[in-house]
Amino acid sequence: AQSVTQLDSQVPVFEEAPVELRCNYSSSVSVYLFWYVQYPNQGLQLLLKYLSGSTLVKGINGFEAEFNKSQTSFHLRKPSVHISDTAEYFCAVTRLNQGGKLIFGQGTELSVKP
Amino acid sequence: ETGVTQTPRHLVMGMTNKKSLKCEQHLGHNAMYWYKQSAKKPLELMFVYSLEERVENNSVPSRFSPECPNSSHLFLHLHTLQPEDSALYLCASSHPRDTRSGHYGYTFGSGTRLTVV
Repeated sequence: AQSVTQLDSQVPVFEEAPVELRCNYSSSVSVYLFWYVQYPNQGLQLLLKYLSGSTLVKGINGFEAEFNKSQTSFHLRKPSVHISDTAEYFCAVTRLNQGGKLIFGQGTELSVKP
Repeated sequence: ETGVTQTPRHLVMGMTNKKSLKCEQHLGHNAMYWYKQSAKKPLELMFVYSLEERVENNSVPSRFSPECPNSSHLFLHLHTLQPEDSALYLCASSHPRDTRSGHYGYTFGSGTRLTVV
């Protein structure tokens, strides 16, 4: 069975600093990978996704993620964070021909301080 | 607004009450999902409907009863809940199968914050 591990439950960072949120997945077959963001009292919003092609994926709000097949990772990065990026971030994976079911990681709480 | 609408946004109910959560989408999706999100716990997939047929039920207690009358609407009927059922209940929709363009991901609603007293 496939799984997703987000290695940090909480990431505190100062405003304008760079940030990396880590995600590793386990799967022996080709996968699609996603990052979602959840702001307080809201649902999840798609940030970006990797389907195929270039391993560097750019998303909304200045975020990007890099798919690394050999390390089975899909880490999320932003070169300079804002207070408004404070939220919970979820990594998710689905396999080809799995009917679209997403498996989510445990979430990483990003806290941006002034 | 994401295109997936959940009502109500907040619900407080006693353990003997019966209530229903509603989810509606007009995105042309034909798979719909219920998730439970409790504090400090991972997202728990509860039910999956594909083409109005329930295809997955992840050992959810019978006090939660889903209903999918058509591809645009999904309900979660609640009765005799327990305080530990207090959580954010999220609805999502998607295309049920991968397409040549790839997987589109889920579109989530804003959730219903449920408090059981």
